[in-house]
Amino acid sequence: GQQVMQIPQYQHVQEGEDFTTYCNSSTTLSNIQWYKQRPGGHPVFLIQLVKSGEVKKQKRLTFQFGEAKKNSSLHITATQTTDVGTYFCAGPNPEETSGSRLTFGEGTQLTVNP
Amino acid sequence: GAVVSQHPSRVICKSGTSVKIECRSLDFQATTMFWYRQFPKQSLMLMATSNEGSKATYEQGVEKDKFLINHASLTLSTLTVTSAHPEDSSFYICSARLQGVGTEAFFGQGTRLTVV
Repeated sequence: GQQVMQIPQYQHVQEGEDFTTYCNSSTTLSNIQWYKQRPGGHPVFLIQLVKSGEVKKQKRLTFQFGEAKKNSSLHITATQTTDVGTYFCAGPNPEETSGSRLTFGEGTQLTVNP
Repeated sequence: GAVVSQHPSRVICKSGTSVKIECRSLDFQATTMFWYRQFPKQSLMLMATSNEGSKATYEQGVEKDKFLINHASLTLSTLTVTSAHPEDSSFYICSARLQGVGTEAFFGQGTRLTVV
């Protein structure tokens, strides 16, 4: 079955440092989504990437979708304490034609030292 | 944006009892909802897909008789943990997506279940 892997599992940075999490799928993805889950909270949608090689930015966050559409990355520039949380990538399950089911990566837990 | 509401947020129950968790889509109709389980510091594990008006589709390894899912209307899905045991203690989250391929998932607030 499809596997979505994320590294690193944990990342601890000083405030102001950059942070990157990587996502790799065992299958080609039609799209990839990123979510953020704050401690004690629920996942919240950040962005979706669809095109091969696509790059999108949201303020200090930069999202990339690989050319082969099997990997993606999220980069945060100059982290702030508000960036604390777990970041998940998610891709549609290829075994389902409707694409409604998502397979989530293991997540990268980010902690930021003020 | 679309809102999914989950209730209760926390529940403590005794071993052997059953617990019902509700998931509502507040401002849109959801023919499909998803139930996840999340252990501390781990990812979201899909348990089942709840289909309005029909039987839920369970993921491999998830006991259908243990985790009863009912999706009786386009805005409500329920998950009942039957004969709960301490190992069922976990964070349960539901989600729903607007119709169409590639839409984002909206999550409920989650339910922290503790079985004592």
